[in-house]
Amino acid sequence: DIVMTQTPLSSPVTLGQPASISCRSSQSLVHSDGNTYLSWLHQRPGQPPRLLIYKISNRFSGVPDRFSGSGAGTDFTLKISRVEAEDVGVYYCMQATQFPLYTFGQGTKLEIK
Amino acid sequence: EVQLVESGGGLVQPGGSLRLSCVASGFTFSSYSMNWVRQAPGKGLEWVSYISSSGSIIYYADSVKGRFTISRDNAKNALYLQMNSLRAEDTAVYYCARVGYCSSTSCVDYWGQGTLVTVSS
Repeated sequence: DIVMTQTPLSSPVTLGQPASISCRSSQSLVHSDGNTYLSWLHQRPGQPPRLLIYKISNRFSGVPDRFSGSGAGTDFTLKISRVEAEDVGVYYCMQATQFPLYTFGQGTKLEIK
Repeated sequence: EVQLVESGGGLVQPGGSLRLSCVASGFTFSSYSMNWVRQAPGKGLEWVSYISSSGSIIYYADSVKGRFTISRDNAKNALYLQMNSLRAEDTAVYYCARVGYCSSTSCVDYWGQGTLVTVSS
């Protein structure tokens, strides 16, 4: 199975400041079809996960443009340009390249200082 | 609006059984593959099972293979997870999650609210 490793596991940030989360996979996420199936999810306390970013850098419907994704191969990053109060919660990276064996990172808890 | 509503969770003894349901609305259920994903209390996400839109293709995580059975009834817009021989380590919130289409490729796009399964004596 592909192991997804996120850093940091906890990120205290100040409102209005940027935040960045890294995700590394144990093997390349480039699929044989040429796509890289790396997504980012956000889970607020007591809520289900919500899709933010798919295929590395594409924002899902309704996701604010302060969220951006980048990376390639085995190294990926989620950035929030200016953190807002509603951004607190846990962020997960997820790979679907090795479908159906979806795997997730351990999660990064974003909290306000 | 896409909605996925799970039910059927509860407290069950080790070795017992439970059947989870997920009712979908707001989209043509029969056109979409579905997953079950679980989350142990305070832990991360773990994929459990996948079923194709027609139900003809099914996959399971090794941790549940031989004990869990995924199925669907497209006429009822419903997804199911039959869980047998339950263990303490199966304790988790179980989410159903849709495999949608993102820029012409598949992605897991919508998740239900989840249903809690607790396995304990």
